[in-house]
Amino acid sequence: DTAVSQTPKYLVTQMGNDKSIKCEQNLGHDTMYWYKQDSKKFLKIMFSYNNKELIINETVPNRFSPKSPDKAHLNLHINSLELGDSAVYFCASSQGGRGHGQPQHFGDGTRLSIL
Amino acid sequence: SQKIEQNSEALNIQEGKTATLTCNYTNYSPAYLQWYRQDPGRGPVFLLLIRENEKEKRKERLKVTFDTTLKQSLFHITASQPADSATYLCALAGNTGNQFYFGTGTSLTVIP
Repeated sequence: DTAVSQTPKYLVTQMGNDKSIKCEQNLGHDTMYWYKQDSKKFLKIMFSYNNKELIINETVPNRFSPKSPDKAHLNLHINSLELGDSAVYFCASSQGGRGHGQPQHFGDGTRLSIL
Repeated sequence: SQKIEQNSEALNIQEGKTATLTCNYTNYSPAYLQWYRQDPGRGPVFLLLIRENEKEKRKERLKVTFDTTLKQSLFHITASQPADSATYLCALAGNTGNQFYFGTGTSLTVIP
C-alpha cells in the first residue's frame, strides 16, 4: 500500500490554465504538507495543515490554494499557471502537531511542466 | 532569514570508505535536525532525527552529529556501498517542530 500518494504523476499544461494536484495519505497522520522542488533540487515548504487547519503558509502567490477536505487529504489548486511554476511538487505527512519534529513521509511527486 | 548549506553538490567516494556529508546553517537555532535520502524520480525518505540536546545518533551504518556551537551537522555512512548512491538532504525545524527548512542537498556517488 502506498503511504502518501499523489495524482497525477505528470502534468503538462499551457500557461494561464488552472490545475489541481491531489494528495492522500493512509498513515493516519495529523499533519500534511506541500513542498516545491525546483530544477536545482531545492525543496521549499509551501503549506502545512494540521487536522484540516492551515498552520503554515509560506510566501506563496495567492494563485496557489490548498484545500484539506479531511485530515487524510490535502489538495493543491493552482490558478493562472506561469512558466515559473514548472517544478516537482511533493506532498508529505507526519504524525503529531507542534513540538515533535516527527519524520515526514513524502509522496513521489507531481512533475508540472508549463508550456 | 535562515540559510542552510550542504557541502559540495557532488561527492564521489570509493566503496568501503566512510562518506561524510556536512550541513551548515546560519541565522537559525534549530531544535530538530533530520536527514533524508532522495533517489531520482522519488520523494525524500527519512533516515535520522537528532534533537538540539543530542550530540550524536546512530542507526546501523549511519551516524549523525549535531554541534549547535559550530551550527553544523555531520552525516556519516560507514562501509559505503554503491546502493548508498543518492542525494542526501538535511532539514531543520524550530521549537514548533513542524516547519522544516531543507538544505541544498549533496549528491553522493559510491564507486565500486
